[in-house]
Amino acid sequence: QKEVEQNSGPLSVPEGAIASLNCTYSDRGSQSFFWYRQYSGKSPELIMSIYSNGDKEDGRFTAQLNKASQYVSLLIRDSQPSDSATYLCAVILTGGGNKLTFGTGTQLKVEL
Amino acid sequence: NAGVTQTPKFQVLKTGQSMTLQCAQDMNHNSMYWYRQDPGMGLRLIYYSASEGTTDKGEVPNGYNVSRLNKREFSLRLESAAPSQTSVYFCASSLAGGETDTQYFGPGTRLTVL
Repeated sequence: QKEVEQNSGPLSVPEGAIASLNCTYSDRGSQSFFWYRQYSGKSPELIMSIYSNGDKEDGRFTAQLNKASQYVSLLIRDSQPSDSATYLCAVILTGGGNKLTFGTGTQLKVEL
Repeated sequence: NAGVTQTPKFQVLKTGQSMTLQCAQDMNHNSMYWYRQDPGMGLRLIYYSASEGTTDKGEVPNGYNVSRLNKREFSLRLESAAPSQTSVYFCASSLAGGETDTQYFGPGTRLTVL
């Protein structure tokens, strides 16, 4: 089992819809979770971090964390074509200090 | 502020050649990292430096060496390049290296080994 798993997609949603991206992790002791966005040919950029169970909202983005079920999700409301990118889930595993372990990413396509 | 810069942007090597990838940050960050990104494999940590003067191995360190030249600069060296090292290499930095730190990434170096 991979330490951080994501569906590779592509996930296609129509413009204006809610995009839901999911990530599961294997290390029950993990405490820090991050969502990065990566446009094709570009570097990753952080869009959300979450450390506590529940929801965290930032504009059109909501991160959801459920440590009991070991998943973290990212919701994008009112999806725009500019949201089309690969979304990377990253986790700091127990004892990992400051080292991020990344999933392979989910490609999101927002269609007009 | 330029953030995190990397040179070169593109490089083609022949098997057995050596090269050094350069990374610099101007954000006064303490921690720096080198990742490689391959299709279907995600980002994998090669080496990191928690602070000036220290370096540690990540997930895939074989075939690489690093030098934390000073607080700003962290270089990655391939002593004898192999086709398996064809990849996109990203450098990143973070302020203090803690669990809530944000890592900022450079633009990447696209390396092809023939």
